[in-house]
Amino acid sequence: IAGITQAPTSQILAAGRRMTLRCTQDMRHNAMYWYRQDLGLGLRLIHYSNTAGTTGKGEVPDGYSVSRANTDDFPLTLASAVPSQTSVYFCASSPGTSGSNEQFFGPGTRLTVL
Amino acid sequence: GQNIDQPTEMTATEGAIVQINCTYQTSGFNGLFWYQQHAGEAPTFLSYNVLDGLEEKGRFSSFLSRSKGYSYLLLKELQMKDSASYLCAVNGGNYQLIWGAGTKLIIKP
Repeated sequence: IAGITQAPTSQILAAGRRMTLRCTQDMRHNAMYWYRQDLGLGLRLIHYSNTAGTTGKGEVPDGYSVSRANTDDFPLTLASAVPSQTSVYFCASSPGTSGSNEQFFGPGTRLTVL
Repeated sequence: GQNIDQPTEMTATEGAIVQINCTYQTSGFNGLFWYQQHAGEAPTFLSYNVLDGLEEKGRFSSFLSRSKGYSYLLLKELQMKDSASYLCAVNGGNYQLIWGAGTKLIIKP
């Protein structure tokens, strides 16, 4: 049982390049999330999806896009990377969106934009 | 605005007890979570409180006071492996979590 996986583990990217971070879960969770985590700041929500076929914007969506074609996959795309997008990116999933649903996190992707 | 405050860093001794506080101001409230995050790893779930009072789970306990916008995580019989960051997060009522910056706990022998 893998749970939730992310790829790549780490990446160095030139500014202006397009990049897709992959996230796959095998728990059949309805909700999925993308966060970025920067030193001294809390996890910040980029985009979320409450169920397959729907997506929504979080706190810091600019420069990022997502899609949710099926239950398992939730890729995050940076259309034209900028240095301020250097961060650790975590994908998470939860069974539903009601209050008590804990979120399960993937191992993260460390992205450096030069 | 919405805000969650936690101390940045705390130090404690192996075998002792430590209390990590979290205060929050959010437009809504539908529960509070505590997560543990070891350096370089993903956050993992510790506890969830939605009603006032203390929830005990082994060496870890979590307390909530909704009227005061306050929670704490209590860790007993500290072990070196408890060295980690502890994240407080509030479900603000729109099914998205609002996260504190985390408290880095350093355990000394």
